[in-house]
Formats: sequence, C-alpha cells, structure tokens
Amino acid sequence: IAGITQAPTSQILAAGRRMTLRCTQDMRHNAMYWYRQDLGLGLRLIHYSNTAGTTGKGEVPDGYSVSRANTDDFPLTLASAVPSQTSVYFCASSDDAGKAFFGPGTRLTVL
Amino acid sequence: GQNIDQPTEMTATEGAIVQINCTYQTSGFNGLFWYQQHAGEAPTFLSYNVLDGLEEKGRFSSFLSRSKGYSYLLLKELQMKDSASYLCAVEGSNDYKLSFGAGTTVTVRA
Repeated sequence: IAGITQAPTSQILAAGRRMTLRCTQDMRHNAMYWYRQDLGLGLRLIHYSNTAGTTGKGEVPDGYSVSRANTDDFPLTLASAVPSQTSVYFCASSDDAGKAFFGPGTRLTVL
Repeated sequence: GQNIDQPTEMTATEGAIVQINCTYQTSGFNGLFWYQQHAGEAPTFLSYNVLDGLEEKGRFSSFLSRSKGYSYLLLKELQMKDSASYLCAVEGSNDYKLSFGAGTTVTVRA
C-alpha cells in the first residue's frame, strides 16, 4: 500500500441497505477525514478523527458513523442508505503540518 | 463555522495568467490551502499559506491576507493540463479541520 486507499471504487446500493466504505493509510498520520463531494457544493466534512480511538462530527454527519480502532483504518458506515447519500466519498489523512492527502474516492449510487 | 467563497468558473487562454480569488469568514483560522482536482480524480495539494504574503512555487503562487480574510491562487503560463477545479480550504484554529469552498473550475483554451 502506498499512501491512502479506498474500497470499493464504486457501488450501486438499494435504499435501506447497510454499507461500509473502507479507507486505509500507511503514512502513520494521526488525523483522518471523510468528505462527500456533490456538484456545486464542494467537499463537505462528514466525520473526522484526530487520533486512534477518537472521532468527531463534521458538517454533515447524519446517517453516517465511523470508527477508528487503529491508526491506519477509518471505515465509514451508512446504516440505512437513502438516495440523498448518492455522492462521491473521499477519505483523507493529514500530516502534522495539516497537509491533507486524499484517497481516490468511492462513487456511491443509492437507488 | 466557516464561510468560504470563490468564483464558480473561469476561462483563460493557453499561455495566459489567471487569478482565482477566495474570501473567507471563519470562527478560527490557522492557515489556508489550495488544492487542484482534475475531473474524476482526487484533490491534490498545491500550496499552504499561514502568514501574510506571497508563496511562489513554479508557475503557481498563492497569496494570503489574514486581516482581510482573502487569498488568491495565481496560475501563470497556463497549459491545457491546468484545466481543473481549484479548491480553497481553510484550516480551523480550534480543531485543525479543513473546510472547503465549492471550487473554481478553470478551463484553458488553445
């Protein structure tokens, strides 16, 4: 692994289903983030984690949950997907200077 | 909270210069980032300003005025590959989270 990876690359999901988006980094960054990107709205922060074992809510947390059991992994779960959660999801981690590194993104469609 | 404004679109000719402005109103400010994002790809880091003034990095420069809540990204000697979205992001002083503007789509024409 080099940098930050996300899985799956894309997914089509039926409304009401549970879904976990995976994110892994190998840079030993303490801070990690989940953003969603929608046309005309830019990147909006869903949840973040400043260090392993802690998480916090961002700008648009409703309908999403995260966990941070270790430094490398930061999964995002949609407990019961709704069509408004159709979006491109980016995971990111940041170094001590605050510079963020983004994963390649997951394109999620909820029908 | 953070309120970050930047123009939606800009068009320029190959070889020209384009300046993308970003204004912000924040509850706390630590620094300002600029990211580049090509269509269908992830954002990538361009520049970081903490202090007032100009930071130059090759064809790209970024300016910050903390007192005015203002930054700009200057792209010189435009190339076709510079066609992308440019994102202004503010780092909060309380929580170090990044808040992004909606992005400016720059189209470079031959």
